[in-house]
Amino acid sequence: EAGVTQFPSHSVIEKGQTVTLRCDPISGHDNLYWYRRVMGKEIKFLLHFVKESKQDESGMPNNRFLAERTGGTYSTLKVQPAELEDSGVYFCASTLLGGMNTGELFFGEGSRLTVL
Amino acid sequence: GENVEQHPSTLSVQEGDSAVIKCTYSDSASNYFPWYKQELGKRPQLIIDIRSNVGEKKDQRIAVTLNKTAKHFSLHITETQPEDSAVYFCAARYIQGAQKLVFGQGTRLTINP
Repeated sequence: EAGVTQFPSHSVIEKGQTVTLRCDPISGHDNLYWYRRVMGKEIKFLLHFVKESKQDESGMPNNRFLAERTGGTYSTLKVQPAELEDSGVYFCASTLLGGMNTGELFFGEGSRLTVL
Repeated sequence: GENVEQHPSTLSVQEGDSAVIKCTYSDSASNYFPWYKQELGKRPQLIIDIRSNVGEKKDQRIAVTLNKTAKHFSLHITETQPEDSAVYFCAARYIQGAQKLVFGQGTRLTINP
């Protein structure tokens, strides 16, 4: 069975440009999370989808970030326009169960974003 | 607020020795504490977890302890091996509002042969 897949693995863009990251969760996993790790810091929560609905987007840094999950399958995270401080590794994770019975989070390999 | 503190940020031990990584959390209602291991260039993967109704859990060379009163939990790796070298992340599930895992800053563990 395929795990969580993310694309691209690495993106280098200039400040002011737009980047779209994609995540394909494990088939059947309703819960999809986006996290970000800036160099040397914690893996920081961005948002949580349950199917196509945003359950919690309290971690989104600002309105330059837009996440979607149309149809409740794959998700995209768009950064527009990108700033230097957006550089980091963006992880997607999925899990079958949510709420109090949340099980293991299955992570993708991450998309490394470098903004120059 | 939602916060998990993890120490140390880097740890270097001799092969065969033990390694201990410690985390503290702020939400007393947290009830689930997983540990993830991220090898270089790979995805974070769950290695062990503990729920708030137990104080200790062991799986071969790794163990996790939880002190709910003090709001801290620790990862213990015994008889370390070179393949234990990785970045380790602790996490706590926060219950307030929509539930999510909040991660610590990570510990880079290096096992010296």
